[in-house]
Amino acid sequence: DAGVIQSPRHEVTEMGQEVTLRCKPISGHDYLFWYRQTMMRGLELLIYFNNNVPIDDSGMPEDRFSAKMPNASFSTLKIQPSEPRDSAVYFCASRMDRGTYNEQFFGPGTRLTVL
Amino acid sequence: GEDVEQSLFLSVREGDSSVINCTYTDSSSTYLYWYKQEPGAGLQLLTYIFSNMDMKQDQRLTVLLNKKDKHLSLRIADTQTGDSAIYFCAESIGYSTLTFGKGTMLLVSP
Repeated sequence: DAGVIQSPRHEVTEMGQEVTLRCKPISGHDYLFWYRQTMMRGLELLIYFNNNVPIDDSGMPEDRFSAKMPNASFSTLKIQPSEPRDSAVYFCASRMDRGTYNEQFFGPGTRLTVL
Repeated sequence: GEDVEQSLFLSVREGDSSVINCTYTDSSSTYLYWYKQEPGAGLQLLTYIFSNMDMKQDQRLTVLLNKKDKHLSLRIADTQTGDSAIYFCAESIGYSTLTFGKGTMLLVSP
């Protein structure tokens, strides 16, 4: 299996622009998570889906952030409009629903820089 | 509440043992985890321990859990330069999500 795939790996944009981050989870995984990593705040859970349905989006910082999962193999995280404080590494992770320990498989991340 | 605390940095010499410590606040944690993040990569599960266990050993890794003090540690024996990375402690309270610490950067010098 290719693992969790994220694109792009790096994104540089200007303040006010729309940014879309993409994720393909591991096939057969039921859960998908979006995280943001910064030096100051560490790793923060933004939102997670179970069977394509958003379960908890309480970590989404504000209305500028939105996430969708139109099918089991694709999810997007959109920031509109972007701001310099959104600069971070964004990770997508997925896992199976198998009733045991919670191993999440992480993608390589998208490094976002907003100028 | 949910809060996981770790020291930010640890430096050791190659061949020494490394001990990374973590404290957590929620006594209902079911599993506790150690994840490893290498430069430019995502997190990867290193090992985990169920909350009713005190210790788990896996090759060079030893995990110790003190539930009374809510303290978790990861010991890496015979630390190698390839072990240089950021190590995250995480707890699983409910079924779905993990709460991560801020990570401990381990630097191994030759």
